[in-house]
Amino acid sequence: SQTIHQWPATLVQPVGSPLSLECTVEGTSNPNLYWYRQAAGRGLQLLFYSVGIGQISSEVPQNLSASRPQDRQFILSSKKLLLSDSGFYLCAWRDFEGTEAFFGQGTRLTVV
Amino acid sequence: GDSVTQMEGPVTLSEEAFLTINCTYTATGYPSLFWYVQYPGEGLQLLLKATKADDKGSNKGFEATYRKETTSFHLEKGSVQVSDSAVYFCALRSGGSNYKLTFGKGTLLTVNP
Repeated sequence: SQTIHQWPATLVQPVGSPLSLECTVEGTSNPNLYWYRQAAGRGLQLLFYSVGIGQISSEVPQNLSASRPQDRQFILSSKKLLLSDSGFYLCAWRDFEGTEAFFGQGTRLTVV
Repeated sequence: GDSVTQMEGPVTLSEEAFLTINCTYTATGYPSLFWYVQYPGEGLQLLLKATKADDKGSNKGFEATYRKETTSFHLEKGSVQVSDSAVYFCALRSGGSNYKLTFGKGTLLTVNP
């Protein structure tokens, strides 16, 4: 069966520090991968999606970047965090032939 | 572009009350429609889905019917429980955009005993 792992679960980082959140999927090949952000009291905002290794599409201009160095690995990064980067970050995957997406447990990021 | 509009929350109900959360959409082609649920501090879980017009998705007592004529996918449950307290998201994957998932803003449901 397929599983998705996302870590860390919580993170507190100072303003100006770098960020790296990692997401891996097991049990499938060539998945579509997604990073979403959920700010407090707001809905889900799609940040990045990837349909293959090295292929990243950005939905909104921002202080973040994403990379997909391996087929089932998706990384969200920042060189210098801003206060506004605080939120709940969710990784998700979808099988190329499938319909629904499956989500990780999320990372609660607080920038102080 | 694709969009999903769902009713503003929060919604507060007593146990065993009837629940409706409205969801309407705009999309190109023939989208697949979903309801996801998010329990406190957790990621999203798929609750139900429908992939074509007139399909009814159902799970855990929740139901939603894909209405193409009204571009709607309203979530219903006949008798809610305290354990149903969560945030509910309506979402679509458009046939015109094979990769993107578009979500509504979410509706917080609180069920009191």
